[in-house]
Amino acid sequence: ETGVTQTPRHLVMGMTNKKSLKCEQHLGHNAMYWYKQSAKKPLELMFVYNFKEQTENNSVPSRFSPECPNSSHLFLHLHTLQPEDSALYLCASSTPGVNYGYTFGSGTRLTVV
Amino acid sequence: EDQVTQSPEALRLQEGESSSLNCSYTVSGLRGLFWYRQDPGKGPEFLFTLYSAGEEKEKERLKATLTKKESFLHITAPKPEDSATYLCAVQGGASGGSYIPTFGRGTSLIVHP
Repeated sequence: ETGVTQTPRHLVMGMTNKKSLKCEQHLGHNAMYWYKQSAKKPLELMFVYNFKEQTENNSVPSRFSPECPNSSHLFLHLHTLQPEDSALYLCASSTPGVNYGYTFGSGTRLTVV
Repeated sequence: EDQVTQSPEALRLQEGESSSLNCSYTVSGLRGLFWYRQDPGKGPEFLFTLYSAGEEKEKERLKATLTKKESFLHITAPKPEDSATYLCAVQGGASGGSYIPTFGRGTSLIVHP
């Protein structure tokens, strides 16, 4: 365990389903991130939260909806997804302004059928 | 726009055969260059941050170096357990204080016994 816990580890959902991904960290970090990782592509930043406030939305489709109720928890709500949304979704946390790198969770492997 | 190019895309080595991975970058005002290791089915694990040209950092069989245009990750006498994908990321001053790094596609390293 890295200190960032993601659940579930695997998720298969139909295009009409609604599901949520959960991320939790107790490292004392104040910034949390959602990334999408697809084969042969660089990590794609989706959302950034600093001190519970969303500071980045990297042109993500509205079928992805983030929620950050406190600085330790982050959710990604999914609805009406497309097959091309199948990917590894990674959560990360960091201390803003400090270049110690990000701590990533193990990810949720999402398959949209 | 910050850019990161990693080469080679894939590398196969025999155990004990030293080599180097390359990360070429363009960035407006480098704040930091990061190296991560990612094992299959897991999130990236932070290895190093380099801040300025000429800086070097070491961890076991890995040594990262930095120039004004590129970084190298040198692997000395690798072992099969060094097999992983190695990711490079840069954080530039153009981020405007949001501290969001740009990632490369990674180099997939396989070390054969």
